[in-house]
Amino acid sequence: GAGVSQSPSNKVTEKGKDVELRCDPISGHTALYWYRQSLGQGLEFLIYFQGNSAPDKSGLPSDRFSAERTGGSVSTLTIQRTQQEDSAVYLCASSRSGPYNEQFFGPGTRLTVL
Amino acid sequence: AQKVTQAQTEISVVEKEDVTLDCVYETRDTTYYLFWYKQPPSGELVFLIRRNSFDEQNEISGRYSWNFQKSTSSFNFTITASQVVDSAVYFCALSGWGGGNKLTFGTGTQLKVEL
Repeated sequence: GAGVSQSPSNKVTEKGKDVELRCDPISGHTALYWYRQSLGQGLEFLIYFQGNSAPDKSGLPSDRFSAERTGGSVSTLTIQRTQQEDSAVYLCASSRSGPYNEQFFGPGTRLTVL
Repeated sequence: AQKVTQAQTEISVVEKEDVTLDCVYETRDTTYYLFWYKQPPSGELVFLIRRNSFDEQNEISGRYSWNFQKSTSSFNFTITASQVVDSAVYFCALSGWGGGNKLTFGTGTQLKVEL
């Protein structure tokens, strides 16, 4: 059984460019989460998808950030007009439905904005 | 609002010592869930344990044990006879129906086990 996979593993971009980060969750997991890990902010929640429900976007730091989940499986996190403060490791996790289920994390995408 | 506090930023021990990592939480939910995750140098977060708020039984798994006390809002993690392979950052986290299923993490404790 494959775990959560993320691509790319590393991304270096110039300030102002758009980036797309991809997450493939564990098969059968209806819940998908994006988190960000940075030195100054620790592990922060960004967005949560559950089945066909409207996503919980309460953690997105600005309107430059957006995410979608197609067909209840793969998710893409898009950051427009990247800024240096967006540099961080972006982690994706998936789980079965409900807050009592452990989340399984992918290896992350390290984003560096020059 | 949910909050998790891990006051210990970094702990260094010598191999075979016992070590306890502290975790204190705040939540308004009456039903909530507590987790510990390990992040080794490779970077990937690894799930260790989950406890729910209505089960205060302590748990032991090999060299690992967890002490959950609702009266002090604490969920501490003890490693007995630590080993070099235990060196990692350990995160305590909290979720609940009121928090929308997301995990609220503490800032993590860096554990260094030396020979």
